[in-house]
Amino acid sequence: GENVEQHPSTLSVQEGDSAVIKCTYSDSASNYFPWYKQELGKRPQLIIDIRSNVGEKKDQRIAVTLNKTAKHFSLHITETQPEDSAVYFCAALTGGGADGLTFGKGTHLIIQP
Amino acid sequence: DAGITQSPRHKVTETGTPVTLRCHQTENHRYMYWYRQDPGHGLRLIHYSYGVKDTDKGEVSDGYSVSRSKTEDFLLTLESATSSQTSVYFCAISRDSPADTQYFGPGTRLTVL
Repeated sequence: GENVEQHPSTLSVQEGDSAVIKCTYSDSASNYFPWYKQELGKRPQLIIDIRSNVGEKKDQRIAVTLNKTAKHFSLHITETQPEDSAVYFCAALTGGGADGLTFGKGTHLIIQP
Repeated sequence: DAGITQSPRHKVTETGTPVTLRCHQTENHRYMYWYRQDPGHGLRLIHYSYGVKDTDKGEVSDGYSVSRSKTEDFLLTLESATSSQTSVYFCAISRDSPADTQYFGPGTRLTVL
């Protein structure tokens, strides 16, 4: 089955700086890569996703890049704000979708004032 | 938030007792999922459903069973709860495919003593 590795497990940045979270996946048939944000005690919520036919996608301060050859994808947050503090999860879906989403273990992003 | 509710929201039970968690949606989405979330493990898929009476196993299905007799309801049953099943359980839904956005319910915190 699919295996998703996520790094770092904790990331602390100064408010206004950029944050980058990286994920690698093992199954070359994976074709859908969502990112979820989870605040303490809340449900995960989708913030951005990318499909294997696209190399980069941007939505305001958030962008995701995908390198299919290297089997890794990254989340970039620019001009970080206090409300960006949360746990972020990457995930991958294999081509057939039969096994559902496989999630990384999460990154705790801390925005220092 | 998508129209997803979970019940109960919190439950404490004893080892060996049966437990049923309910997920209810008002979105008429075809796919429904059960995940568990544990510290250091991210989210892991237990079972999923791709239609009424159509279900399949996920990564961590041992000790769990599911049923879906109506589009709107997906039940997760622990036939004989164990302490290792202490976790936060999230239901999720997606419209027509696992590659469509998955929306999560508010979660159920289950403690098995």
